[in-house]
Amino acid sequence: QVQLQESGPGLVKPSQTLSLTCTVSGGSISSGSYYWSWIRQPAGKGLEWIGRIYTSGSTNYNPSLKSRVTISVDTSKNQFSLKLSSVTAADTAVYYCARERQQLVLFYFDYWGQGTLVTVSS
Amino acid sequence: DIQMTQSPSSLSASVGDRVTITCRASQSISSYLNWYQQKPGKAPKLLIYAASSLQSGVPSRFSGSGSGTDFTLTISSLQPEDFATYYCQQSYSTPRGFTFGPGTKVDIK
Repeated sequence: QVQLQESGPGLVKPSQTLSLTCTVSGGSISSGSYYWSWIRQPAGKGLEWIGRIYTSGSTNYNPSLKSRVTISVDTSKNQFSLKLSSVTAADTAVYYCARERQQLVLFYFDYWGQGTLVTVSS
Repeated sequence: DIQMTQSPSSLSASVGDRVTITCRASQSISSYLNWYQQKPGKAPKLLIYAASSLQSGVPSRFSGSGSGTDFTLTISSLQPEDFATYYCQQSYSTPRGFTFGPGTKVDIK
C-alpha cells in the first residue's frame, strides 16, 4: 500500500520561501507510470493543483504559480519536494502531495498524503 | 483555461436517497473527468476516473456518467458515511494543468 507523508514548517513569514517534502513509502517513486503532484486547499475553499514532477525530473506547473514554484525529486530518498517563493497570506493553505497515475491518456490522483497546514504570517 | 462548475453547491439529503451531482466544463473535455470525495480534515479520495470508471475499493452505489462538457456523479442510495464534499476534476488540459470544480457539499437533512 503506497503512503505519502508531507513534512515541513507549519509557519512561514511573508516574502520568504515555503518548503515542503513528501516522503513516499510502500513503493518506489521511480517505478511505474506515475507523476508526483502538489495540490493545496485554503481553509473552507476548493482544491488548486500546484504542479507535478516525473521521476525523470520533467515538471509541469500551474501557470498562475509558475513563476514562484519549483518541484524537485530525490529518488534515492523516495521523496519529492515543493518550494514556493515570495509567499503571502494568500498562500496559507493545507498542502497535499499526491500520486498521479497515468493510464494511456488518462490521469488521476489515486493516492494522497494527509495534508499539512502552512500558515504565512509574521 | 478550462473552467469547471458544479451544481448544486450544497444539498441536504436523507440516508437512502438517490443523489445526483452535476459538473460542467467550459469546453469539451471528452471523458477526462474524475470525481473525488473529501471528508472534513481528510485528504480527497478518488471515486471515479475517466468519467465512469469506478476506482478499486469504491462501493458500487457510486457511479459516474457523461462526456464532452456535462457530467454527473450519482449515489444510488446515500449512506451515513457518504456525507462529504464532492469535487470533479478535469485532466484534459494535461500537461498544462488540472482544474477542480468548486465542490458540492452533501449534508444530512
